Amino acid sequence: NAGVTQTPKFQVLKTGQSMTLQCAQDMNHNSMYWYRQDPGMGLRLIYYSASEGTTDKGEVPNGYNVSRLNKREFSLRLESAAPSQTSVYFCASRPANTGELFFGEGSRLTVL
Amino acid sequence: DQQVKQNSPSLSVQEGRISILNCDYTNSMFDYFLWYKKYPAEGPTFLISISSIKDKNEDGRFTVFLNKSAKHLSLHIVPSQPGDSAVYFCAASAMAGTASKLTFGTGTRLQVTL
Repeated sequence: NAGVTQTPKFQVLKTGQSMTLQCAQDMNHNSMYWYRQDPGMGLRLIYYSASEGTTDKGEVPNGYNVSRLNKREFSLRLESAAPSQTSVYFCASRPANTGELFFGEGSRLTVL
Repeated sequence: DQQVKQNSPSLSVQEGRISILNCDYTNSMFDYFLWYKKYPAEGPTFLISISSIKDKNEDGRFTVFLNKSAKHLSLHIVPSQPGDSAVYFCAASAMAGTASKLTFGTGTRLQVTL
């Protein structure tokens, strides 16, 4: 059982480049989330999707866009990367009947 | 505005002793609390949770205590083991419908020494 799978695991970008982080879950969960983790800041919510076809902003949405392609997949796009977006990004999903999130292994992004 | 605070960035405990990790919150709408454990280069994994209708929840060596009046919760690990060395995140949510979001604290790094 793969759970939550994120790709790529590592990426280096130059300022102004664009990229998309992919996330897929095979647990039939309705809700999906994108968090970023920075030293001393904990995990901060970027965007989330309560169900297929819906997306909402979290605490730190600026500079990002998301797509809930179907129930399984939730992608995060950086249109014009900035050094401030250097971070570790985590995708997570949640079933309808609990408050527990299931996380992927993370994607480490460096923007030069 | 940090709604969930973990004021101790790090904690060192000897193997076999008790580890106590603390968490404070400011949002009175929070009614569900969780602890996550994170090893380097891995995603956070769920450890234990507690609903606001309880003041204690126990799962093996892990116990979470909730003091709603003080807006404080703590995680007790007894006895501590070297494999418990990790970063622990406290998280909270207001369980409104299916779109509840978790707000995380900044984490406490626990080191269990031999």
